[in-house]
Amino acid sequence: AQSVSQHNHHVILSEAASLELGCNYSYGGTVNLFWYVQYPGQHLQLLLKYFSGDPLVKGIKGFEAEFIKSKFSFNLRKPSVQWSDTAEYFCAVTPMDTGRRALTFGSGTRLQVQP
Amino acid sequence: DVKVTQSSRYLVKRTGEKVFLECVQDMDHENMFWYRQDPGLGLRLIYFSYDVKMKEKGDIPEGYSVSREKKERFSLILESASTNQTSMYLCASKTGGLNTEAFFGQGTRLTVV
Repeated sequence: AQSVSQHNHHVILSEAASLELGCNYSYGGTVNLFWYVQYPGQHLQLLLKYFSGDPLVKGIKGFEAEFIKSKFSFNLRKPSVQWSDTAEYFCAVTPMDTGRRALTFGSGTRLQVQP
Repeated sequence: DVKVTQSSRYLVKRTGEKVFLECVQDMDHENMFWYRQDPGLGLRLIYFSYDVKMKEKGDIPEGYSVSREKKERFSLILESASTNQTSMYLCASKTGGLNTEAFFGQGTRLTVV
């Protein structure tokens, strides 16, 4: 079965600092990859997704992620964080060749941006 | 916009009660999912359904069952609630296509006392 690892559980940054959140998955086949974000008191929403093509994908609010197949990684980046980026971030994967339609999530990273 | 609506935002139930969590989506999605979210554990899949009356166990189905009588509605049932089922429950839906994303409801925070 596939699994997703997010190594940073809690990250504290100052505004304008750069952000990189790690995500690694364990599955040898073709995958779809996602980053979801959950702002305080709000529902989970999609930040960005990778299906195929350019491994560098851009999402909403200035976020981007790079898929490195050889490293089974899909790290999330933002050059300059804002206080409003304070949220919990989840990496997720769906294998494309098993028939499993559900997303498998990592344990999440809580980001706290200090003004 | 896709809308996934969970019937309750907060619920408090007693140990041993039968609990129903309801979820409705308005985009004619084939697939629907129930996850539970716990601090430090992320989201874990309980059950999912890929069609009416069809269901498959996820990673943590013990103590839960589901019902999908209509395409738009997916119910999670706790047959006899226990304190270790205190959690945030999230419903999601997605189309049947290969390259598609899931849409989530606002969650139901269930406390079992």
